[in-house]
Amino acid sequence: NAGVTQTPKFQVLKTGQSMTLQCAQDMNHEYMSWYRQDPGMGLRLIHYSVGAGITDQGEVPNGYNVSRSTTEDFPLRLLSAAPSQTSVYFCASSKTLARNYGYTFGSGTRLTVV
Amino acid sequence: GNSVTQMEGPVTLSEEAFLTINCTYTATGYPSLFWYVQYPGEGLQLLLKATKADDKGSNKGFEATYRKETTSFHLEKGSVQVSDSAVYFCASRGETSGSRLTFGEGTQLTVNP
Repeated sequence: NAGVTQTPKFQVLKTGQSMTLQCAQDMNHEYMSWYRQDPGMGLRLIHYSVGAGITDQGEVPNGYNVSRSTTEDFPLRLLSAAPSQTSVYFCASSKTLARNYGYTFGSGTRLTVV
Repeated sequence: GNSVTQMEGPVTLSEEAFLTINCTYTATGYPSLFWYVQYPGEGLQLLLKATKADDKGSNKGFEATYRKETTSFHLEKGSVQVSDSAVYFCASRGETSGSRLTFGEGTQLTVNP
């Protein structure tokens, strides 16, 4: 079982460039989400999805878009990269929406915007 | 909304020392509580969880008990090892269906030989 797979692992962008961070899970999980991790700020939710075709905003959605056309994939798009988006990005999934299930995390994408 | 507060870090211990990392939560209703661990350069891994009051989660020598009366879920280990050096996150997931996982800020633990 691959679990949650994120690509790429590292990326450097110039300000204004766009890119897509890929996330795929093979566990048939219903719930998927994107977090960013910054020093001293823990993990902050960017966007999440409760099923194919359904997405919603988290705490810090500005500058990011998501879509969920299949159960397996949940890509995160940076529309016009800014230095403030330099961060480590984690994709996470959960089997169901029930509160007693934890999340499975990918290994992260370290993004630097110069 | 829900929130989680962890003790401020970083924490530095000698091998075989006793570990406590404090975690308190605020929530409407009855959340599930989790501890995650993040090793350098990796994603977060679920360490243990508890879903109701007085439940004790345990894994790899770590334990945490869900205390509703003090709204706490402190992480403990009797004898830490160098390999336990990592960042530890406390998290809660609320009672309502579709609720999100809310994280504390994380506590960096360093164990010296």
